[in-house]
Amino acid sequence: AQSVTQLDSHVSVSEGTPVLLRCNYSSSYSPSLFWYVQHPNKGLQLLLKYTSAATLVKGINGFEAEFKKSETSFHLTKPSAHMSDAAEYFCVVSTYNQGGKLIFGQGTELSVKP
Amino acid sequence: EAGVAQSPRYKIIEKRQSVAFWCNPISGHATLYWYQQILGQGPKLLIQFQNNGVVDDSQLPKDRFSAERLKGVDSTLKIQPAKLEDSAVYLCASSLGSGGIPHEQYFGPGTRLTVT
Repeated sequence: AQSVTQLDSHVSVSEGTPVLLRCNYSSSYSPSLFWYVQHPNKGLQLLLKYTSAATLVKGINGFEAEFKKSETSFHLTKPSAHMSDAAEYFCVVSTYNQGGKLIFGQGTELSVKP
Repeated sequence: EAGVAQSPRYKIIEKRQSVAFWCNPISGHATLYWYQQILGQGPKLLIQFQNNGVVDDSQLPKDRFSAERLKGVDSTLKIQPAKLEDSAVYLCASSLGSGGIPHEQYFGPGTRLTVT
């Protein structure tokens, strides 16, 4: 079975400082991993995805994530936070044998202070 | 390119009433998903369609929830009768994906259901 654990339910940073949102996954098969962002009253938007190519994945808005198989982690980072980054972030796992089904983590709420 | 459309955006009903949600996926997307997102949690898949057929409905409470996908395009999700615990945001998503390969899913804005 596949599962995702987001290690922090809430992260608060100051504008201009680095962002780190932590995610660990469990999968019996080679996983595809995603990060989605959800702004208030808006739909989920894909930030980036890993599908067994390069382990360091670059996404939109300056975000990137590194797939570390030995640590079963897929942490999301950004060098410098912007006020507009404040949102809910979801780490997601999927595998071929699950028919493309997405398994979502519980989410991490990111707050950005001026 | 138009995104995934959902209606209504908000709905308030009393328990034991019925409600229906509508979704229009991105044109050409074969796969359509309905998710339930309870406040403070990540979305949970309710049902997945591949064209007209159901691929996965293992987490759909079939005693009260039903869904159909008309002609492989639009879809409706119905709850009858609603319970208080059905209060949630119902998200529709679509993807090009087929054959079980994980593809990017595009999400609609959701329908926020409140059951009183």
